[in-house]
Amino acid sequence: GQQVQQSPASLVLQEGENAELQCNFSSTATRLQWFYQHPGGRLVSLFYNPSGTKHTGRLTSTTVTNERRSSLHISSSQTTDSGTYFCAIGDTNTGKLTFGDGTVLTVKP
Amino acid sequence: EAAVTQSPRSKVAVTGGKVTLSCHQTNNHDYMYWYRQDTGHGLRLIHYSYVADSTEKGDIPDGYKASRPSQENFSLILELASLSQTAVYFCASRDSNNQAPLFGEGTRLSVL
Repeated sequence: GQQVQQSPASLVLQEGENAELQCNFSSTATRLQWFYQHPGGRLVSLFYNPSGTKHTGRLTSTTVTNERRSSLHISSSQTTDSGTYFCAIGDTNTGKLTFGDGTVLTVKP
Repeated sequence: EAAVTQSPRSKVAVTGGKVTLSCHQTNNHDYMYWYRQDTGHGLRLIHYSYVADSTEKGDIPDGYKASRPSQENFSLILELASLSQTAVYFCASRDSNNQAPLFGEGTRLSVL
C-alpha cells in the first residue's frame, strides 16, 4: 500500500527560529495534505497541496510530485506552533487518507 | 458553522464488551470516515462511507463495524472490545468537491 515517511520525528526550536518539515511518499498519484494536531488532539487542515507551492501566513508548503516529496516551512516560529504536524496522501476518488507518523514540534520561549 | 461532533469524548470499556462511538456532522457532506490513532503514530482508516445506508472497509477494518443510517450520522461499533483497540478515534467528514476533510475532536477509548 501507499507509504508516507516524515522527518524529523521531533524538533525543538527557540521562538523565532524557522522549521523545515519533510514528507516523502510512495505514489505520484497523490492528494498531498498537511495537518496540524493541537496538543489536546484536534486535527486541522493546513494545506491541500498536490503540487507546487502554497503560502498561508508564516507557513509555506512545497510539493514536488515527480520526486515524491513535500515540505512544510514554518517561519519565525511561535510557542503556539507547538504540536504535531502530519502529512497525508489521499485517494483521488474516495478521499481516503494515508498518514505519516508526524513531526512533533516544540517551540520554547 | 461547519462541525463534526463525536460522542462520547472518552470511554472506558471492559474486554469483550460492546462499544458504540457516534459521529454527527452538520456540513451536508457526502463522505464520512473513522480513523484510529495510536500514541506516537498517524491516523489509520477503519471504515468510511460516501452515502447513507452504505459503508466501505478501510485499511484496518478487522474487529470493527460501521453504520451510516443517515447522511448526518456515522457510528463505529466494536462488538467485542479488545485491549488492542485502546486508542483515540477520530471521525471526519468531507464534501465530494473538497479534498480537505473536517475532523471531530476525537474519542479516547480505553479497553481494560
